[in-house]
Amino acid sequence: LAKTTQPISMDSYEGQEVNITCSHNNIATNDYITWYQQFPSQGPRFIIQGYKTKVTNEVASLFIPADRKSSTLSLPRVSLSDTAVYYCLVGSRRGKLIFGQGTELSVKP
Amino acid sequence: EAGVAQSPRYKIIEKRQSVAFWCNPISGHATLYWYQQILGQGPKLLIQFQNNGVVDDSQLPKDRFSAERLKGVDSTLKIQPAKLEDSAVYLCASRTVSGGYNEQFFGPGTRLTVL
Repeated sequence: LAKTTQPISMDSYEGQEVNITCSHNNIATNDYITWYQQFPSQGPRFIIQGYKTKVTNEVASLFIPADRKSSTLSLPRVSLSDTAVYYCLVGSRRGKLIFGQGTELSVKP
Repeated sequence: EAGVAQSPRYKIIEKRQSVAFWCNPISGHATLYWYQQILGQGPKLLIQFQNNGVVDDSQLPKDRFSAERLKGVDSTLKIQPAKLEDSAVYLCASRTVSGGYNEQFFGPGTRLTVL
């Protein structure tokens, strides 16, 4: 399974767009990129999954360049409630989830 | 739709004691997972069930941890005897067999403190 690297922490302010980049240099041809969000005292929650180019849903957008060696999770106009840990995972479409340390996002008023 | 239920939410025990956690997955979800999340780290998969069969238990410390999923629905995870390093949150997750996305639904977890 491809190893992922993402920033340990990020700060932002309410109303800003937040972009969290994840590096996965050894991604395999059949690997997908999946992002989960975890609030304190809760289990992780699926946000978005993609294979290439751009995926958008009601919560976030996922940008994946042509070489797929990195990906960027974009959260539009964050609010205080978006303060959480965000995990980038790489693996087969319905395969095993290997969580790294994640990115701790802190949104300030 | 009801989510994944776990109990208890909190448990404090002394080392060498035994403890058991219970999980009720989302109705109809054939796949069930148990994860261990140590403070400051991401969740680590302990065991995966498909219905009542074990698919992956490669990271389960089998000398002290055991899990079962009788009748392919509820599951229990047991630790016997507990060690200090078992202090963590134990998360249960479930997923349907079909479906395009790798979307696992997690319960709120059980926070275990071993003294």
